[in-house]
Amino acid sequence: KQEVTQIPAALSVPEGENLVLNCSFTDSAIYNLQWFRQDPGKGLTSLLLIQSSQREQTSGRLNASLDKSSGRSTLYIAASQPGDSATYLCAAPPASNTGKLIFGQGTTLQVKP
Amino acid sequence: GAVVSQHPSRVICKSGTSVKIECRSLDFQATTMFWYRQFPKQSLMLMATSNEGSKATYEQGVEKDKFLINHASLTLSTLTVTSAHPEDSSFYICSANPGTATEAFFGQGTRLTVV
Repeated sequence: KQEVTQIPAALSVPEGENLVLNCSFTDSAIYNLQWFRQDPGKGLTSLLLIQSSQREQTSGRLNASLDKSSGRSTLYIAASQPGDSATYLCAAPPASNTGKLIFGQGTTLQVKP
Repeated sequence: GAVVSQHPSRVICKSGTSVKIECRSLDFQATTMFWYRQFPKQSLMLMATSNEGSKATYEQGVEKDKFLINHASLTLSTLTVTSAHPEDSSFYICSANPGTATEAFFGQGTRLTVV
């Protein structure tokens, strides 16, 4: 059964700092892994999707990596800005890959000006 | 990216009443949609899988008679919270995938408050 864990639960950094958010999963037979951003009281915005055959994906200042063998994914945010403050969630489908997702608990990021 | 629209974004209802939440895929067809619930400061938990033209599949511990799901067309799924109680107050959010093994796109979510 797929389980997804995110550490740390919260992170506070000064503006301009590069940072890494961590996500681990238990079932290495993973189809893909998706990173989302959630602002308070809002829905989810998809940031990056990494397929099982890929090692990383990049979008602007964001870079996500996937290491199936170790059961880990990281989201790297370069040159953080106050507007990056949000909760970041990673999610992976269960082994059956029916389209549903198993979510981590999220990391709440605060970027201080 | 694909667009999933959810309505209403916020609803307050009295205890004992029912509330319907709509989830629409605007630019793609979805034979399957998913409903999640998120309690404050917690992550999203899958409630059920909505299947077009057939019965929904509920996750363990989710009452199917309380959370009625209807997926009458390829672009619309509805979640009805029946006889709502204060403990049903939560953030409900739906998702759909334009195809298999692709990105999941989420609606804006519905904040339900039962008073």
